[in-house]
This record gives sequence, C-alpha cells and structure tokens, in this order.
Amino acid sequence: DTGVSQNPRHKITKRGQNVTFRCDPISEHNRLYWYRQTLGQGPEFLTYFQNEAQLEKSRLLSDRFSAERPKGSFSTLEIQRTEQGDSAMYLCASSLAWRGEAFFGQGTRLTVV
Amino acid sequence: GIQVEQSPPDLILQEGANSTLRCNFSDSVNNLQWFHQNPWGQLINLFYIPSGTKQNGRLSATTVATERYSLLYISSSQTTDSGVYFCAVGYSGGGADGLTFGKGTHLIIQP
Repeated sequence: DTGVSQNPRHKITKRGQNVTFRCDPISEHNRLYWYRQTLGQGPEFLTYFQNEAQLEKSRLLSDRFSAERPKGSFSTLEIQRTEQGDSAMYLCASSLAWRGEAFFGQGTRLTVV
Repeated sequence: GIQVEQSPPDLILQEGANSTLRCNFSDSVNNLQWFHQNPWGQLINLFYIPSGTKQNGRLSATTVATERYSLLYISSSQTTDSGVYFCAVGYSGGGADGLTFGKGTHLIIQP
C-alpha cells in the first residue's frame, strides 16, 4: 500500500473559478477526512465519510465547499467560485472506523490569484 | 469543542540536546496523535497514544488522559528533527468528528 494519495499537489487558479481535488485513501480504510491548513496554523477539520456516507459536514467553511465519496473509495473536494481566502493546503486523511489513527496524504496546495 | 494547547510554540536547540513538548487538552478524548510536519507539508505519524507510554527510537510519548495532557520527548536531537510538531485529539463515539489540532511547536535543531 502506498498510503494516502492526493492530486494535484499544487493548483493555481483565478478567483471565481471552480476547483476539484482528489483523494485516494489507504485501501482498507473505511473513513476518509478532509482538512484545511492555513499558514502558521494546525489543520482544521472540514468533513468526513464512513464508506460512502458523509457523516459530518457542518464544518465545511461555506456552501461553496462540497465533498463526495460516491463508491466509498476515492473522494473529491470541490470549491466553487474560489476566493483569495481559499488559498491554503487541503489535506486528506483516512483511518479504520474501529481505530481512529489517521494517516495523511501529502496535501494539495491551492493558490487563488 | 475541544481546545488543544501546545507548548512551547518555538524551540531552538543545538544538535544532541533533549527536548520535551507538551500538549494540554480540555476534554475527554479517546484519540491522541503526535505528528511531525516536514518542510513539504507532509504530516508524518509519530505516535497514536490516547493513553500510556510508547517509545520509538529516540522519540517517546506519554499521555495522562485523566489529567488531560501528553508529552513528546526527543532525545539526542538531530538536524532532521527540525520542523513543526503537532498534537491532535479527538473523541469517537456515534457521529465522530475529526481531529482537533493544536497550533504546533516549531522546533529548530542547529548543527
């Protein structure tokens, strides 16, 4: 297993454009989490899935943010109408449901210009 | 929600020195992890330690859940130990939230 994989690693977009990030979790993990990290801060929890069910989404930053995990495997995080304040590192993590130890991907660094 | 405080925020040491990083949290948890974030942003798992003591080479960690704190010990520091160390906590039960992170300790090891 190669661990949690995120693509792309870097994304530069113009303000107002939509962006989508992909996360492939560790294969046997049934929980998948999305976090955002801004400069000088610790990661901030956004949402998580258990299999294909999104069990927590109240922490998504606005209604411009949405996430899917259609077949319980990979997940996508979409940001619509990007703003400069969305510039950050977006991290994905996965874990087993019975053991909460989370493993993180390398992140996608978003820059909105 | 749970509050996590890490101390010290910054630490500069000479190679070979020992250090202790502290993590205080405000509520009961059943998940506590220590991570090292490398310069490229990757979070490297150091310990999964909701309670007790663990050791891995030059690193060890202790969590006293009843007193709501955890300690990370680094002995004989090397320049490659430099980076940001995060403590993250969580409580899984029913509708589980994700981890709550502290602001980190920025460690610089000078040769």
